[in-house]
Amino acid sequence: KQEVTQIPAALSVPEGENLVLNCSFTDSAIYNLQWFRQDPGKGLTSLLLIQSSQREQTSGRLNASLDKSSGRSTLYIAASQPGDSATYLCAVITGGGNKLTFGTGTQLKVEL
Amino acid sequence: EAQVTQNPRYLITVTGKKLTVTCSQNMNHEYMSWYRQDPGLGLRQIYYSMNVEVTDKGDVPEGYKVSRKEKRNFPLILESPSPNQTSLYFCASSLSSGTARTDTQYFGPGTRLTVL
Repeated sequence: KQEVTQIPAALSVPEGENLVLNCSFTDSAIYNLQWFRQDPGKGLTSLLLIQSSQREQTSGRLNASLDKSSGRSTLYIAASQPGDSATYLCAVITGGGNKLTFGTGTQLKVEL
Repeated sequence: EAQVTQNPRYLITVTGKKLTVTCSQNMNHEYMSWYRQDPGLGLRQIYYSMNVEVTDKGDVPEGYKVSRKEKRNFPLILESPSPNQTSLYFCASSLSSGTARTDTQYFGPGTRLTVL
């Protein structure tokens, strides 16, 4: 059974700092991996999707990498801002491309 | 506006009283899915649907039913709710289903359910 772990569970950084969030998964037979952002009281917003054949994806200040063989992904956030404060979730897609398994998330707080 | 809507947003009910949480998307997406989110356990997939009349179990299907009679709607049915189904529920959709899916998942705003 696929298990997805995110470390750390919570992170507090000063504004402007670069940071890395980690995601690891136990079964490397994945179709793709997605990073999401969840704000309190709201649904999830997709940030980046990496296909299994890709090594990384970039969107603005965000860069996600994928090392499928070692079962790891990282989300790099450059020059963090208070508006980046949220919970970040990674999810791997398996089961013929139809099943998603989520990590428990990293709660990020960016302080002024 | 492209969106996934859920109703109700908040619901308090009692054990055993059947309820339905509706989910609708206006993007003509093939794939729809239901998740529950619990503290310390994260999001877990309940059921998913690849298209009209095609559904399958996720990781935690016990106590839930779904149907997909129309492409845009994917209701979640709790025939006899119990307190352990108290949770935050999310519906999501994406363009296509099948192998090597590369589509972004779009999530609804969530339904907070309390079963007393």
